[in-house]
Amino acid sequence: NAGVTQTPKFQVLKTGQSMTLQCAQDMNHNSMYWYRQDPGMGLRLIYYSASEGTTDKGEVPNGYNVSRLNKREFSLRLESAAPSQTSVYFCASSEQGGGSYNEQFFGPGTRLTVL
Amino acid sequence: AQSVSQHNHHVILSEAASLELGCNYSYGGTVNLFWYVQYPGQHLQLLLKYFSGDPLVKGIKGFEAEFIKSKFSFNLRKPSVQWSDTAEYFCAVIGKGAQKLVFGQGTRLTINP
Repeated sequence: NAGVTQTPKFQVLKTGQSMTLQCAQDMNHNSMYWYRQDPGMGLRLIYYSASEGTTDKGEVPNGYNVSRLNKREFSLRLESAAPSQTSVYFCASSEQGGGSYNEQFFGPGTRLTVL
Repeated sequence: AQSVSQHNHHVILSEAASLELGCNYSYGGTVNLFWYVQYPGQHLQLLLKYFSGDPLVKGIKGFEAEFIKSKFSFNLRKPSVQWSDTAEYFCAVIGKGAQKLVFGQGTRLTINP
């Protein structure tokens, strides 16, 4: 099993450009998450999908959109990138969210720089 | 709302020293607690977790953590650290019935050989 995979690993954008970060998991998990990691701020939740067909905002959703394409895939889109979105982005998945909580498994991350 | 506080931002130890990293959370009800580790250039991996039962939980690589409900704490310990423990450590909490895991700010641990 590959676990959680993310593409690309690195990306440099200019302000105003758009891009989509891809995430896929092969563990048949119901819930998927997108986080950003910034120095001294830990991980902050951008969006999550508790189950296929649903998405919800996390702590820092502004400037992002998501699509839960199917049970395996959860993409994150930056429509008009800004320097404040320079960060490392992690995708994660878990068997279930909510009351029946299980640990989250993380992907390798995407390091994004916006100039 | 849930919140997690990790008191130490950067800890520097010598090999064989004992380690304790602090984690306090804020939540009024039942919680599940986690410690994750991120080695340089790698993704987060689960070290250990507490759901219920014995408040002293043991994880991988000799780490353990103790849940003290009265103090809202879940401190991470290791009796004797190794150079390979150099990493960033994150405490995380989710309240029962909540949808979102909340992470602390992280503690960077540097072990000098």
